[in-house]
Amino acid sequence: ETGVTQTPRHLVMGMTNKKSLKCEQHLGHNAMYWYKQSAKKPLELMFVYNFKEQTENNSVPSRFSPECPNSSHLFLHLHTLQPEDSALYLCASSQGGQRVDEQYFGPGTRLTVT
Amino acid sequence: AQSVTQLDSHVSVSEGTPVLLRCNYSSSYSPSLFWYVQHPNKGLQLLLKYTSAATLVKGINGFEAEFKKSETSFHLTKPSAHMSDAAEYFCVVSDYGGSQGNLIFGKGTKLSVKP
Repeated sequence: ETGVTQTPRHLVMGMTNKKSLKCEQHLGHNAMYWYKQSAKKPLELMFVYNFKEQTENNSVPSRFSPECPNSSHLFLHLHTLQPEDSALYLCASSQGGQRVDEQYFGPGTRLTVT
Repeated sequence: AQSVTQLDSHVSVSEGTPVLLRCNYSSSYSPSLFWYVQHPNKGLQLLLKYTSAATLVKGINGFEAEFKKSETSFHLTKPSAHMSDAAEYFCVVSDYGGSQGNLIFGKGTKLSVKP
């Protein structure tokens, strides 16, 4: 275990549903990340939070909405998704600040949009 | 801008033989470099990292990587493959050009280990 947990591990949702992914880190880190991992594509950085402030939004569609209530928790709210949004969504954390540190990943949520 | 290229999308070796996974990077700065491994249906796990100290970096599970500035390479090696090494491996470079703390991932190399 890396100290980063994600729930649920698997999620199937219709295009009109609203759901949320949850990530929690127990490492005392100050930065948290959402990534999308699709088959045959590089890992895509979606959002970055550093000390609870969003510092990166990589042109992610508005149907994905992140929330970071504190340094330990990160959510990804989903609504009106498309089938091409089906992927593995990975959460990660790192020390944060101005450092470039290794990131610690959760096991991911496998999302299927029907 | 920083970038990383993994030269092989798939590498197959026999158990007990050496492993070589190749990675080249491009960076305008002195980079930090990492290798991560992802087993099926799991998240990414850090194998090792280079941060401008020793150029030969030892990681977990017998893996090591050598930073070669003249060749802009950071290849991952292991003397003897084990069946449990079958996984996907990602070479990663720090993104100093973008937001601090962000990493740029290669496309991955899938390692198969034959008995």
